[in-house]
Amino acid sequence: QLLLQESGPGLVKPSETLSLTCSVSGGSISRSRYYWAWIRQPPGMGLEWIGSIFYSGNTYYNPSLKSRVTISVDTSKNQFSLNLNSVTAADTAVYFCANHYYGSVPEGPWGQGTLVTVSS
Amino acid sequence: QSVLTQPPSASGTPGQRVTISCSGSSSNIGNDYVYWYQRLPGTAPKLLIYRNNQRPSGVPDRFSGSTSGTSASLALSGLRSEDEADYYCAAWDASLSGPVFGTGTKVTVL
Repeated sequence: QLLLQESGPGLVKPSETLSLTCSVSGGSISRSRYYWAWIRQPPGMGLEWIGSIFYSGNTYYNPSLKSRVTISVDTSKNQFSLNLNSVTAADTAVYFCANHYYGSVPEGPWGQGTLVTVSS
Repeated sequence: QSVLTQPPSASGTPGQRVTISCSGSSSNIGNDYVYWYQRLPGTAPKLLIYRNNQRPSGVPDRFSGSTSGTSASLALSGLRSEDEADYYCAAWDASLSGPVFGTGTKVTVL
């Protein structure tokens, strides 16, 4: 069974770049038709899809965040990563990684989530 | 920001039936399947209902889903204390070309 685990700093300063990595075990990122996604949940709010990547590197992003987001994949490490630049307090959230087929929502296990706080 | 609208809270006593609504649009719920997640405190969302009304293995039949037009509902029958959690609906959005999620409903067992 696939296991996903987020890692990265829990505190980021305003205007800097938030960087997270999702490590995938129990299966290969490159041997499936899955897209690998980042999703976040600000405190007291709902879930928001950030963007997704295919193992080939094909990406697509939520238009509301597209100008600040880069998602990349490292198939040799079975990982994919999120970079969100020019962060503000509004980017404070629990960040999850998950996978899904294109045209559907995540149906498998998500990562446990990691809280990232934007504060000076 | 969440695209699908849910009531912020719902409650019931043990054994009662609780229903949670999810309102969307023609580009998401009105166009594709609806999914429901259960999120227990401090844990990741867990799939509860897929493709409108299907339950993954291990999910009790006390949970059921339905859709009508651009809205969907999740029903919890025979409410139990362990059902206290946040519940989220989700669907693929054709305009966004990505998944969209609900605002979330906190279920309290009185």
